[in-house]
Amino acid sequence: AQTVTQSQPEMSVQEAETVTLSCTYDTSESDYYLFWYKQPPSRQMILVIRQEAYKQQNATENRFSVNFQKAAKSFSLKISDSQLGDAAMYFCAYRNYGGATNKLIFGTGTLLAVQP
Amino acid sequence: NAGVTQTPKFRVLKTGQSMTLLCAQDMNHEYMYWYRQDPGMGLRLIHYSVGEGTTAKGEVPDGYNVSRLKKQNFLLGLESAAPSQTSVYFCASRPHGETYEQYFGPGTRLTVT
Repeated sequence: AQTVTQSQPEMSVQEAETVTLSCTYDTSESDYYLFWYKQPPSRQMILVIRQEAYKQQNATENRFSVNFQKAAKSFSLKISDSQLGDAAMYFCAYRNYGGATNKLIFGTGTLLAVQP
Repeated sequence: NAGVTQTPKFRVLKTGQSMTLLCAQDMNHEYMYWYRQDPGMGLRLIHYSVGEGTTAKGEVPDGYNVSRLKKQNFLLGLESAAPSQTSVYFCASRPHGETYEQYFGPGTRLTVT
């Protein structure tokens, strides 16, 4: 069974600085997807970024980028120029490629605080 | 488009009471999911559906039942609520296809006393 581990329950960053959130996963599959979701105090789950395992290039979305290390099964999220609105719980998630179910498997989350 | 909506947003139940949570999506998505979120445990899949009239168990199905009589609706039922079912419940949907991500509803906070 696949598992996702986020070893940092809480992180803090100064506004305008850069922070990296860690995520490791375990799978025997070669094709899969990885995601970072943001959950602000409103509880709404918001997709931040997605990475396909077959792509060697790291995904980037504006100030958010990932460091995908397939061999090490590591998928970290880097937030550059942190803003107060980035304060939220961040979840790393995994999904197998193919199959009708396409279930997401979530890590336990990292609570990010942004200090002004 | 309203996206994914959940009814109700908050609910307090007494042990042994029953209730149904409604999830509705207006995006014509094939797949729908129910998750629960507990502190320190992330989101865990309760049940899911890959199409109208079909449902399947997820990771933590005990104590819950689901139905998908219409494509746009996915109902989660608690027949006899227990304090262990105090949680935040999320519904999600996605279209058929490999690259589509799940779209989440706003969540329902349920407290069982």
